[in-house]
Amino acid sequence: KAGVTQTPRYLIKTRGQQVTLSCSPISGHRSVSWYQQTPGQGLQFLFEYFSETQRNKGNFPGRFSGRQFSNSRSEMNVSTLELGDSALYLCASSLVPGENIQYFGAGTRLSVL
Amino acid sequence: GESVGLHLPTLSVQEGDNSIINCAYSNSASDYFIWYKQESGKGPQFIIDIRSNMDKRQGQRVTVLLNKTVKHLSLQIAATQPGDSAVYFCAENPNTDKLIFGTGTRLQVFP
Repeated sequence: KAGVTQTPRYLIKTRGQQVTLSCSPISGHRSVSWYQQTPGQGLQFLFEYFSETQRNKGNFPGRFSGRQFSNSRSEMNVSTLELGDSALYLCASSLVPGENIQYFGAGTRLSVL
Repeated sequence: GESVGLHLPTLSVQEGDNSIINCAYSNSASDYFIWYKQESGKGPQFIIDIRSNMDKRQGQRVTVLLNKTVKHLSLQIAATQPGDSAVYFCAENPNTDKLIFGTGTRLQVFP
C-alpha cells in the first residue's frame, strides 16, 4: 500500500509570494493533518481535515489555510510568504480523526528567500 | 539529507550498546504518549506508544518507560544499530485530538 505522498519535495519562493502544497493520504485514510517543522520550534500543528472540513486548527496566522477534497487529498496554502515560513511542511494521515498514530509523508521543504 | 534540528540535544552511542533517550512532558492530564523516529530526508515514523495506565511497554528492541510522578518518558533501544541513527521525538496527547511533540533528540551511532 502506498504511503503518504507529498508534492513537491522542494520549493523555493520569494517573500510576498504564495505557495500551495499537496498531500495524498494513505488509501482509505480520511483524516489529514499538517505540521510545520523548524529547527527552533520542532513540530507545530497547523490544522486537521476530515470529510472536507477543518476539525482542528493550530496557532498560526490566517495566511496559512488548507482544504480537503472528496478523495481525501489535501492542500495547504501559504499566502504572502515571509522568511520565517521557511520550514519542512509535513502531512500525516490516519483512518479517522483523533487517532494518535499518524502516518507521515516525507514532507515539502519550503525555502523563502 | 534534510536537517530537522540544528541545535538538537545529541546522544552518541557505540554500535551494540543500549541507548536511552529521555523526554519531559508538560501536561499532567496527558493520557497517551508516543515515540516517533525521523531519519534524514524522511517523515516521522511511529515506533511505540504507551497509555498513562501503564508504566512500561516493550516492542522489538525498544522499551518505553513512563514516570507520571515526574512527567518523564524514556525510550530504550537495545543493541543499537547504525540504522537507528535518527532524530527521535516524543509526543503527548493532553486529552485533545492533537498531539504535542517535543523538540527531539538526535541519536548518532558510531562503529
